[in-house]
Amino acid sequence: QITLKESGPTLVKPTQTLTLTCTFSGFSLSTSGVGVGWIRQPPGKALEWLALIYWDDDKRYSPSLKSRLTITKDTSKNQVVLTMTNMDPVDTATYYCAHTRQFYGIDYWGQGTLVTVSS
Amino acid sequence: QTVVTQEPSLTVSPGGTVTLTCASSTGAVTSGYYPNWFQQKPGQAPRALIYSTSNKHSWTPARFSGSLLGGKAALTLSGVQPEDEAEYYCLLYYGGGQGVFGTGTKVTVL
Repeated sequence: QITLKESGPTLVKPTQTLTLTCTFSGFSLSTSGVGVGWIRQPPGKALEWLALIYWDDDKRYSPSLKSRLTITKDTSKNQVVLTMTNMDPVDTATYYCAHTRQFYGIDYWGQGTLVTVSS
Repeated sequence: QTVVTQEPSLTVSPGGTVTLTCASSTGAVTSGYYPNWFQQKPGQAPRALIYSTSNKHSWTPARFSGSLLGGKAALTLSGVQPEDEAEYYCLLYYGGGQGVFGTGTKVTVL
């Protein structure tokens, strides 16, 4: 079965760079049509789509955050990494990774990891 | 900046029917936006319900259905159960391949 799990720091300081890793199993990121995306949710607020990487290394970013985000994959390790630069307290949120099928959407979600930005 | 708007809250009686909608600031929502719907309960990760407008996942209860309605994506809950009380989000995919989530609808079963 498909599972995903996010990992990374729980606390980062303002202006620092956040690096999150999504480790998955049950699928391969070299399979046509498959992607892994990142989504976040500030406490008590709505979901926000951040970025997506496909099997062919095609990458998509939220226009409002594009300048701060980088998404990469390591197919051999079954991992996808998201970096976000210049962190601010407003970036405090639970960050999720999710399995995505091209032209279909998201089906499986990780459990999420809470990242707090504070000095 | 693209905004996807949902009803903030809806209330439905047990056994009743409720329809949630998902509108795009860019115009009518079509199947080309591959509308997705998700359910989220407090303290939990979202759970996928519908993909590509109206397709159900293997775990999606039959009482949930997706459609296009009046230029919007729609999620209908028929025969609502108490456990359907949750926040519901839609997701639309735009031409650049990026996704945008809706503002969310809190469904209360009373």
